[in-house]
Amino acid sequence: AQKITQTQPGMFVQEKEAVTLDCTYDTSDPSYGLFWYKQPSSGEMIFLIYQGSYDQQNATEGRYSLNFQKARKSANLVISASQLGDSAMYFCAMREGRNTGNQFYFGTGTSLTVIP
Amino acid sequence: DSGVTQTPKHLITATGQRVTLRCSPRSGDLSVYWYQQSLDQGLQFLIQYYNGEERAKGNILERFSAQQFPDLHSELNLSSLELGDSALYFCASSVGGPSGVTYEQYFGPGTRLTVT
Repeated sequence: AQKITQTQPGMFVQEKEAVTLDCTYDTSDPSYGLFWYKQPSSGEMIFLIYQGSYDQQNATEGRYSLNFQKARKSANLVISASQLGDSAMYFCAMREGRNTGNQFYFGTGTSLTVIP
Repeated sequence: DSGVTQTPKHLITATGQRVTLRCSPRSGDLSVYWYQQSLDQGLQFLIQYYNGEERAKGNILERFSAQQFPDLHSELNLSSLELGDSALYFCASSVGGPSGVTYEQYFGPGTRLTVT
């Protein structure tokens, strides 16, 4: 089974609107971390936000928030007030456990296009 | 700027050749990860080092090897190159402290390898 599933290959959003990018994960480990990364057309991978499995509150970083629904195993990224610069690929990732030897798993990504 | 450096930025070589990609992690980060990103395979985890020791192995081919040196920089060696090895190779680093807890990874700008 896929560890990380992103079902939206492409999304469009009007500038200044909010958009939700979906991510579901699969793990039996009670301790895990969930991450979102942004990859603009220039290619670099930019860390956006982190949510730990034991965190009680949803993570927020500026215009980014993570809608963490543990029972549903979903970790959707919400971008508020979209800007043209938000157009990029977005990757959801997960790290299981607390061991330095645990690898990160990435989803296939969602391409977001912000329309002026 | 993530603080992770990778050289070279671009590399063009022929099939059958061997290349070495270099990565310097962020100051203070002990863990280094290597990823391969190709159009058909997405972002694939290759290998992780922590403070000079191999800690996790992903989908790394036997033709590929890596090491982390005492100054914590890392090299990824790719040999007997094939056309299918053409991809963007990312290095990432994270804190990975003695307790084993890791948080976000910071990615370098990547090395784009083209095998002709």
